[in-house]
Amino acid sequence: RKEVEQDPGPFNVPEGATVAFNCTYSNSASQSFFWYRQDCRKEPKLLMSVYSSGNEDGRFTAQLNRASQYISLLIRDSKLSDSATYLCVVNILTGRRALTFGSGTRLQVQP
Amino acid sequence: DAGVTQSPTHLIKTRGQQVTLRCSPKSGHDTVSWYQQALGQGPQFIFQYYEEEERQRGNFPDRFSGHQFPNYSSELNVNALLLGDSALYLCASSTFEPNKYEQYFGPGTRLTVT
Repeated sequence: RKEVEQDPGPFNVPEGATVAFNCTYSNSASQSFFWYRQDCRKEPKLLMSVYSSGNEDGRFTAQLNRASQYISLLIRDSKLSDSATYLCVVNILTGRRALTFGSGTRLQVQP
Repeated sequence: DAGVTQSPTHLIKTRGQQVTLRCSPKSGHDTVSWYQQALGQGPQFIFQYYEEEERQRGNFPDRFSGHQFPNYSSELNVNALLLGDSALYLCASSTFEPNKYEQYFGPGTRLTVT
């Protein structure tokens, strides 16, 4: 079983739609959680950190459910420029500072 | 404020050869991590350097080695290249401060092994 699992998509949505991505992680020792965005043939860029209380940044909302080991990302009012691959990322403590990535969910926003 | 830089951007090598990739971290960062990203996959952790020492290592063979210099820049070396080593190699910089786990990536080096 992969440490971080995501639906690969692609998710094809019209502009203005709301889209939600889900991610599960297997290691209950995971302590820090992030969503990164990666455009085609570019490097991953930090979109937002995910906190237990949930957090919002403009049109983006991230949620964490530690009991279910589940992370989500909601994008409201999708823009064409949101088209990218969204990577769910966890950091497992206990001496490790490496990031563990999911395989990513591809989003295509259509006009 | 310069971000993370990597060189070269692209590289083509033959099986059995050796390659060295370079990375300069973001200003103010002291920790460099290296990742390998195969097509269609998320990045996979290779190793991390802090204070010129390898601090953690992922599931990569000894053919993959690295170094960190006093100015925090880093090199990734891969010996005896295999076709399967073809990938995007990403460098990420961060700080080793407690509770700071975000990492910031450079543009990557795309390695093709023929």
